[in-house]
Formats: sequence, C-alpha cells, structure tokens
Amino acid sequence: NAGVTQTPKFQVLKTGQSMTLQCAQDMNHNSMYWYRQDPGMGLRLIYYSASEGTTDKGEVPNGYNVSRLNKREFSLRLESAAPSQTSVYFCASSETQTNSPLHFGNGTRLTVT
Amino acid sequence: QKEVEQDPGPLSVPEGAIVSLNCTYSNSAFQYFMWYRQYSRKGPELLMYTYSSGNKEDGRFTAQVDKSSKYISLFIRDSQPSDSATYLCAMRRGGGNKLTFGTGTQLKVEL
Repeated sequence: NAGVTQTPKFQVLKTGQSMTLQCAQDMNHNSMYWYRQDPGMGLRLIYYSASEGTTDKGEVPNGYNVSRLNKREFSLRLESAAPSQTSVYFCASSETQTNSPLHFGNGTRLTVT
Repeated sequence: QKEVEQDPGPLSVPEGAIVSLNCTYSNSAFQYFMWYRQYSRKGPELLMYTYSSGNKEDGRFTAQVDKSSKYISLFIRDSQPSDSATYLCAMRRGGGNKLTFGTGTQLKVEL
C-alpha cells in the first residue's frame, strides 16, 4: 500500500520548457490536490479535484493546468516554466472534499533556470 | 497579516524535554485543526486532527485548541531525536474545502 506516489522526484527545466508532474493514490480517495511549498510561504493550494471529472482553482493557479485522469491519478502541467515556479510540489488526497484529512506524497523538487 | 501565524524556529531542545509548538489564527470560521510532521525531503504526514475546542491526546502527543483565543498548540512529551522535523499546523472552515497551513516550526531534539 504505497499511499500517494509522485513522479518524478527531481526535475530541472529551462525557462519556457513544459512538463507534467504525475500523481497516483491507491487509497480509493475521491479528492486530490496539488500544493507548492516555498520557504516562508508554507503550503499553497494550486488546484484540486473534489471528485473524478471535476477540477477547481486553488490559491495560486496561474501558469498551471491539471487533469484528473481517473479516480487514482491527478496530473499537474506546466506549459511554459518560469523561474518563479521553482518549488517543491506536493500531491495529496483525501477521502472526501470536506472535513477529512489530507495524505501527502513525498514531493517533486522542481528547479527552473 | 497571514491568516495563520507560526514561529519558524528553529527550536532546539534536549532529549526527554516537553515541547510546545503553537499557531495563532485570525479567521474565527476555522473549525478543524490539524498538525502535520514533515521530515526533511519528505511529504507532510498527519499527526493530529481535531474538531473545535478542547484537547486530544495520542501517545506522547497532545493537541490543544482554544478557539476563544484563536490559538492552537501541540505538546510532545518525552521528546526523542526521531521527533526532529518541521511541524505544520493547518486548519479549515466547517464544510470548507480550503486548508490553510502555517509556515512550519523546525524542531531539533538533541541527545
């Protein structure tokens, strides 16, 4: 039982390049989330998916797109990476959208040069 | 002013000490309160999950919520070197879908 699995673990991009961060959960959770973590800023919500087939913007969605591929998988895409997107990205899932705790993956460390 | 304030530390204590970690918040609508532990280069893992005011105990960990003061605490008894990590508080409104995190307090428990 792996929980929440994120790939890749590390990535270096040049400005303007694109990439997709992958996330999969095996807990049969309905809701999934993408956060970024920056020093002094805490965890900030980028996008979330309350259930399969739905996605919504979070606090900092600009420059990102998401796809809820199925109940297990939720991907985050950077179409044209910028240095401001250098961060650690965490995927999380929860049983329901409201009032149930989040379970996190171990993150993708992204550097944009 | 941030909605949730947390002292970043670092906080250094000797093994066996009682540790007190705290967060203050400004939004009185918050009803669910969580503490996450994050080891270096790992994702946050849930430690405690509480609803409204009061205390909750789990082993060496006690979470305390004082809604009247908008203040939450995590106490760690008999602290161990393995408790060395960053501790994040998080909270959300009742029925809300947005979790607001503190920036985390770095704790180091020394032998």
